[in-house]
Amino acid sequence: DAKTTQPPSMDCAEGRAANLPCNHSTISGNEYVYWYRQIHSQGPQYIIHGLKNNETNEMASLIITEDRKSSTLILPHATLRDTAVYYCIVRVPPQNNDMRFGAGTRLTVKP
Amino acid sequence: SAVISQKPSRDICQRGTSLTIQCQVDSQVTMMFWYRQQPGQSLTLIATANQGSEATYESGFVIDKFPISRPNLTFSTLTVSNLSPEDSSIYLCSVGEQGVSPLHFGNGTRLTVT
Repeated sequence: DAKTTQPPSMDCAEGRAANLPCNHSTISGNEYVYWYRQIHSQGPQYIIHGLKNNETNEMASLIITEDRKSSTLILPHATLRDTAVYYCIVRVPPQNNDMRFGAGTRLTVKP
Repeated sequence: SAVISQKPSRDICQRGTSLTIQCQVDSQVTMMFWYRQQPGQSLTLIATANQGSEATYESGFVIDKFPISRPNLTFSTLTVSNLSPEDSSIYLCSVGEQGVSPLHFGNGTRLTVT
């Protein structure tokens, strides 16, 4: 599996967009990028995933660079409830069905 | 997505005893996994729970310490045996289907060993 690199922590002002970067420079052509978040005392919550096209859902947008070596998770209007640890994971199903978690980014949304 | 229930949600156990954690899903799922999250750390995969056969363990985890059962496609148990304070962690169940779809996680069992 390709490894990912994320900044250990980030701050964001409430109501502003939170842009969380992830580096996955050794990603292979068939590996997907997944994002999860973990709010304190809860299990990880799935946010979004993609292969090479940008993706958007009700929670967030995922921007993957053309060379696929990095991606950015965008929370368009961060709220205090978005304070969590965000994990970027690369995975190539069906060879790898589990999720391998790195250290993640601790996002703190401030009022 | 599947609704995942873990029991107990938390427990305090004495050194040398064992704790069995249950994971119940409201629909049949192909894959079930068990993870450990030590205090202040990220999640580490313990094993894949295989229906009707022995679990597949990750490096550093052994069946004698973490026996796992999966009798059907909706239920699995993880036992943490011969507890020591180092076993104090959150244990999480994860489920999913083969393919691109993401895995989903329960809220975990917080174990404290005294």
